[in-house]
Amino acid sequence: NAGVTQTPKFQVLKTGQSMTLQCAQDMNHNSMYWYRQDPGMGLRLIYYSASEGTTDKGEVPNGYNVSRLNKREFSLRLESAAPSQTSVYFCASRYRDTEAFFGQGTRLTVV
Amino acid sequence: SQQGEEDPQALSIQEGENATMNCSYKTSINNLQWYRQNSGRGLVHLILIRSNEREKHSGRLRVTLDTSKKSSSLLITASRAADTASYFCATDAYGGSQGNLIFGKGTKLSVKP
Repeated sequence: NAGVTQTPKFQVLKTGQSMTLQCAQDMNHNSMYWYRQDPGMGLRLIYYSASEGTTDKGEVPNGYNVSRLNKREFSLRLESAAPSQTSVYFCASRYRDTEAFFGQGTRLTVV
Repeated sequence: SQQGEEDPQALSIQEGENATMNCSYKTSINNLQWYRQNSGRGLVHLILIRSNEREKHSGRLRVTLDTSKKSSSLLITASRAADTASYFCATDAYGGSQGNLIFGKGTKLSVKP
């Protein structure tokens, strides 16, 4: 039982490159989330998916796209990376309105 | 903008002392949750309090919720050096934002041995 697994753990991109952050959970949770964490800003919600087949924008969705591939997987895509997207990205999942479980994070640097 | 705001932003205490962190939020909530984050790691859930509850305990943790003031507090009693971490409140909203889990900016707690 792995919980929430994020890949990769670290990534360096050049400005303009694209990449997809992967997230998978094995707890049969219906809701999944992508957050970014910057120093002094706490966690800000990028996108979330309340159930398979639905996605909604959070506080900072610009420059990102998401796909809820199935109940287990929720990916975050940067189409054209910018230095402002340098951050630590966390994926989380939960069942309805209960506690959330987090992955270990992806440290992304855009140069 | 973020729903929850923690206060203080940073707190430094001696081992054995109690630590109190506060959280204020803006809209009606279904529940409020507290999380802990050790440096560079993912967040770990500590405690959840529902909107119809006023106080909840878990080990050395005590959480209160005042929905009339839209605020919550987390008390850690008899702190230990291992409690050094950042603590975040997160709100689970009603209505149009249902399903969102919105975090505040966190309180950085340092417990000195």
